[in-house]
Amino acid sequence: DIQMTQSPSSVSASVGDRVTITCRASQGINSWLAWYQQKPGKAPKLLIYAASSLQSGVPSRFSGSGSGTDFTLTISSLQPEDFATYYCQQANSFPPLTFGGGTKVEIK
Amino acid sequence: EVQLVESGGGLVQPGRSLRVSCAASGFTFDDYAMHWVRQAPGKGLEWVSSISWNSGSIGYADSVKGRFTISRDNAKNSLYLQMNSLRAEDMGFYYCVKDMKREVGYYGMDVWGQGTTVTVSS
Repeated sequence: DIQMTQSPSSVSASVGDRVTITCRASQGINSWLAWYQQKPGKAPKLLIYAASSLQSGVPSRFSGSGSGTDFTLTISSLQPEDFATYYCQQANSFPPLTFGGGTKVEIK
Repeated sequence: EVQLVESGGGLVQPGRSLRVSCAASGFTFDDYAMHWVRQAPGKGLEWVSSISWNSGSIGYADSVKGRFTISRDNAKNSLYLQMNSLRAEDMGFYYCVKDMKREVGYYGMDVWGQGTTVTVSS
């Protein structure tokens, strides 16, 4: 099974900061990676699919990159509503579909 | 409006069974694969099971294989998860999730329900 490792597990940042989250797959997954945002008490929300495609309605300050085993999610200028937990998910190999452990973006 | 509404969660004793359901609306249900994803209290997301548009492709996490069964009724726009031999580690929030495509994988999960809570305790 493919394992997904996210880093860091948490990050403290200020409004306006550039934030980068990394996700590493234990084996190559081409570009079949998605990113989700989850706020406390809410269902997750799809941000990015196929590694770099922005889901409809998601602000352009979010971007994704990478292929193979190494991927990044970047928030170019952190906004107050972006404080949340972010998860990556590999979609190349099924079953299983694997989520990363999550990265919590906290207010500095 | 695209919507997924889960139901059927609740308190169940260890070893017993429970079936959770998901009612879909606002989209052509039989055009998309569907998933169940769960989240234990204070923990991350865990994929549980997926089913393709025509039930031709089904998969389970190792942690539930042999105990859980996913199914769908396209005529009723509904997704189900039959959970048998429940354990304490099955406790959590269960989300019904829509895929972006007919087949499982490759893209993403673009619509999530609000979830239903499963509590396993004696």
